Amino acid sequence: SQQGEEDPQALSIQEGENATMNCSYKTSINNLQWYRQNSGRGLVHLILIRSNEREKHSGRLRVTLDTSKKSSSLLITASRAADTASYFCATDDPYNQGGKLIFGQGTELSVKP
Amino acid sequence: DAGVTQSPTHLIKTRGQQVTLRCSPKSGHDTVSWYQQALGQGPQFIFQYYEEEERQRGNFPDRFSGHQFPNYSSELNVNALLLGDSALYLCASSRDYYSYNEQFFGPGTRLTVL
Repeated sequence: SQQGEEDPQALSIQEGENATMNCSYKTSINNLQWYRQNSGRGLVHLILIRSNEREKHSGRLRVTLDTSKKSSSLLITASRAADTASYFCATDDPYNQGGKLIFGQGTELSVKP
Repeated sequence: DAGVTQSPTHLIKTRGQQVTLRCSPKSGHDTVSWYQQALGQGPQFIFQYYEEEERQRGNFPDRFSGHQFPNYSSELNVNALLLGDSALYLCASSRDYYSYNEQFFGPGTRLTVL
């Protein structure tokens, strides 16, 4: 079953605007990772946030984690047409070694020039 | 430094056939996982290999099997192909099985079963 649920399923914005995607999960985690996928190709790793972290930045990306609400958000600032892609959150299972990842259905982001 | 590589890029098979997909992990990584991604869905975990052993397995039938070699590369085998096996197959590698580190994905193999 899916652990993560992204919201919204689809998002359309203009270039230069900010895009916010949310992820909710059901069980406790060690860490949460965000990935980008362009047109059914491989997943590109964006950022990993551990359960004891509340916020993390990487370039134009800002990720927050609220373990009490079992939710995370990904903010992309000053979006570009090249940010058009599907975005997935993935959580691990802290009771199993090795870090099996459980993915949500993804948010499809469209950035219009 | 090469990232995760997969071969082939695309593959077309017919029902009942068998297929082998290959993956080379990122340099320095010792753990390889395989995922299946159907169109419009998130990736689903198939299994994970470490020290040449299957360590974890998702909800996939025994038709899906794998192998990890001493150089950490891995193969995914699927027997008796069904139409529903058509998907993007993704390989991911990570460093240190016992730590919860980033997993890096390859470009995937697109399998079409006719």
